[in-house]
Amino acid sequence: GAGVSQTPSNKVTEKGKYVELRCDPISGHTALYWYRQSLGQGPEFLIYFQGTGAADDSGLPNDRFFAVRPEGSVSTLKIQRTERGDSAVYLCASSSGTVGETQYFGPGTRLLVL
Amino acid sequence: QKEVEQNSGPLSVPEGAIASLNCTYSDRVSQSFFWYRQYSGKSPELIMSIYSNGDKEDGRFTAQLNKASQYVSLLIRDSQPSDSATYLCASLRGTGYKLSFGAGTTVTVRA
Repeated sequence: GAGVSQTPSNKVTEKGKYVELRCDPISGHTALYWYRQSLGQGPEFLIYFQGTGAADDSGLPNDRFFAVRPEGSVSTLKIQRTERGDSAVYLCASSSGTVGETQYFGPGTRLLVL
Repeated sequence: QKEVEQNSGPLSVPEGAIASLNCTYSDRVSQSFFWYRQYSGKSPELIMSIYSNGDKEDGRFTAQLNKASQYVSLLIRDSQPSDSATYLCASLRGTGYKLSFGAGTTVTVRA
């Protein structure tokens, strides 16, 4: 079946602009995760959704970052007033929702803030 | 101290040799461990998961877990050029959902 998909694959924006990154999880997966990966580092957790609600948003770096999942499927990560330090690969993952279950990653969105 | 530490690499091995990757974790509550492979510019792909002490083999890959020593390893036997990638070690708490990743070890298999 189809895996996790993310759009856009690349996004170039200017400092101070607003961006939205979209994630479409594997069909039937109730759990959805956002991670951020900087060059040479492993992914770092941002936020976790179980269904429509954000169960844990402790990894969001500050209040410029926000994510939604209104219908329990597609999720959007929103970044306001982007800064150059936000440049990274934003990865989305999904799982069946069972504790300890494997997380499957999407291809990521490469964000570059100029 | 980072929650998950990996041997920094890079690791270069000749084709056909064994590549050995090591990982230590600091959170004793961690119960599940994963090895992901990440090709340059691509997303992480799960290659092994391990939950119990001991060895787990899958094809040319063997994962080893020692919870007393808080140590996880991955062996790649008969290394192939297609194994050249960055390998990420990740841990998960028993009741958790938040993967903690190491920085990765880059492996290059020389033909």
